[in-house]
Amino acid sequence: GAGVSQSPSNKVTEKGKDVELRCDPISGHTALYWYRQSLGQGLEFLIYFQGNSAPDKSGLPSDRFSAERTGGSVSTLTIQRTQQEDSAVYLCASSYKGGSGNTIYFGEGSWLTVV
Amino acid sequence: AQSVSQHNHHVILSEAASLELGCNYSYGGTVNLFWYVQYPGQHLQLLLKYFSGDPLVKGIKGFEAEFIKSKFSFNLRKPSVQWSDTAEYFCAVGGYNKLIFGAGTRLAVHP
Repeated sequence: GAGVSQSPSNKVTEKGKDVELRCDPISGHTALYWYRQSLGQGLEFLIYFQGNSAPDKSGLPSDRFSAERTGGSVSTLTIQRTQQEDSAVYLCASSYKGGSGNTIYFGEGSWLTVV
Repeated sequence: AQSVSQHNHHVILSEAASLELGCNYSYGGTVNLFWYVQYPGQHLQLLLKYFSGDPLVKGIKGFEAEFIKSKFSFNLRKPSVQWSDTAEYFCAVGGYNKLIFGAGTRLAVHP
């Protein structure tokens, strides 16, 4: 596609429920990233995919968070047993290949609210 | 550990004023440096980037940034801001496989 596409754009969920956030990167981009943006806290790195593998998942805050990528394209971020502190904007980004020497393009984000 | 510090969390300027947003980083290797901008209701966009060469980097919309290695800084500047520059600005340092972002600076430009 023309840009990084994320869905849903907004999600309100009850505490304790599981949520899935989807990212469709720019066509041909092998690297995919998930970030979390909380109020006043900038962007927090979560996980990096190169193809279907995740060489860096150091930013996942707990074992309730997981992500996968299939076919070297679409990625899903899953948050199990959501907590109120999980409320944030979850941003997906992609680049042609891994390494910060390549420009990273961001999607518009999925705004998650846990009530 | 890699880190990025942005000194100003909120900046308010009048149109035509000059802008300088501070950014300092901590990183042990060769750095790639970036400024991203997020306009209200829009996604993050790349303003400019530094990989190597001339430490004064020109970006879109009249923005520029200067890499000063001795000060571990990459400050963003614009000689004359416009109301349309109202946005949040993020400095980032590129490591091997990810960008580390600062907390952001919210800029409000008044007409």
